[in-house]
Amino acid sequence: EVQLVESGGGLVQPGGSLRLSCAASGFSFSSYEINWVRQAPGKGLEWVSYISSSGSEIYYADSVKGRFTISRDNAKNSLYLQMNSLRAEDTAVYYCATFGDAWGQGTTVTVSS
Amino acid sequence: QPVLTQPTSLSASPGASARFTCTLRSGINVGSFRIYWYQQKPGSLPRYLLKYNSDSNKQQGSGVPSRFSGSKDASTNAGLLLISGLQSEDEADYYCAIWYSSTWVFGGGTKLTVL
Repeated sequence: EVQLVESGGGLVQPGGSLRLSCAASGFSFSSYEINWVRQAPGKGLEWVSYISSSGSEIYYADSVKGRFTISRDNAKNSLYLQMNSLRAEDTAVYYCATFGDAWGQGTTVTVSS
Repeated sequence: QPVLTQPTSLSASPGASARFTCTLRSGINVGSFRIYWYQQKPGSLPRYLLKYNSDSNKQQGSGVPSRFSGSKDASTNAGLLLISGLQSEDEADYYCAIWYSSTWVFGGGTKLTVL
């Protein structure tokens, strides 16, 4: 069974940092491009970042460029998102997703003082 | 002007068909892109429905019924999602997406009400 499981969300103060993780199982993780997508409360889906299967290509949404860093460890079947200089507008549910059938359940990030 | 524009809402009756549009910004040719469609019910994660480039280049999501189908309308520069035989369980938000200029772009979503 294809499975993506995010972790690492929580409550953080503005300007703080968090590291999200996404553990993959049930498919050949190292063969897949993968993304982080977020959804603010009551809002639509917003793409955050992309990483190629090898990690050699990385792209970010303008809203997070320079603050967030995506990475992966294919040996551990894991994806990461290091989030620094967090703002209130980063508050959202964060999903890891292949943009095909594989989406995680999401992890909630709340940025508030 | 956004890259992808979707109507905010759509209403249809059970058993009828619903046609969702995803209009690409002027200057971005729908013929050059695969259009992805997702369904999201309240409190749930997005569900991948299908991707459509052409009738010979399309993919249905795992377990997605054939009454969900994709197409394009070149005259309006739009990707289309058609749901036939509407059921109450189809009530949800529907999002389109494309890979454009090294970014994924989502439409704002269309809320389907089945009444």
